[in-house]
Amino acid sequence: DGGITQSPKYLFRKEGQNVTLSCEQNLNHDAMYWYRQDPGQGLRLIYYSQIVNDFQKGDIAEGYSVSREKKESFPLTVTSAQKNPTAFYLCASQDPSSNQPQHFGDGTRLSIL
Amino acid sequence: QQQVKQSPQSLIVQKGGISIINCAYENTAFDYFPWYQQFPGKGPALLIAIRPDVSEKKEGRFTISFNKSAKQFSLHIMDSQPGDSATYFCAPGSWGQNFVFGPGTRLSVLP
Repeated sequence: DGGITQSPKYLFRKEGQNVTLSCEQNLNHDAMYWYRQDPGQGLRLIYYSQIVNDFQKGDIAEGYSVSREKKESFPLTVTSAQKNPTAFYLCASQDPSSNQPQHFGDGTRLSIL
Repeated sequence: QQQVKQSPQSLIVQKGGISIINCAYENTAFDYFPWYQQFPGKGPALLIAIRPDVSEKKEGRFTISFNKSAKQFSLHIMDSQPGDSATYFCAPGSWGQNFVFGPGTRLSVLP
């Protein structure tokens, strides 16, 4: 089945640690996105990538980093500089040339120990 | 950040009733107007979407109504079912640009 796989589903971070969230897609989509979702709020864009080896900051990029070395993979690192990392993180992909909407993974819930 | 507003924040409807959720946006360059449905612990999934050249689109029990001059569009769920209980997001945007998600509306359909 084509889709987006996010792992792990639950992740715990100690103070001062960096953690990396995985996002893999087999939809052959050029564009990939990371969103953060907090209770009672919509999705806020962290980073996005329109093509391999290129990515752009979204609205709330501070304390996060990404890489896009392969078309199918777009990992997100939550660094120790992110002071309030507890949230639900969603990865999405899209084929910009087809005018189709974004496809989402099932998210990773990050909590601080 | 571009503003997208949704109302109501939460909605309780009896089974068989009509659920109506509204979305207001500011950017007149938006040309794609989707609604996403999200269940707890899952990612959002596209429910229905409309382009600005039509004023209404219906897919089964779900209808989008679009008012370009008012910069608003709404989701109508007819014959609401308990399985429709979820959070609904509007996410207007433009192709080649990013989509802007509203804050979400939590719908509860009582059996």
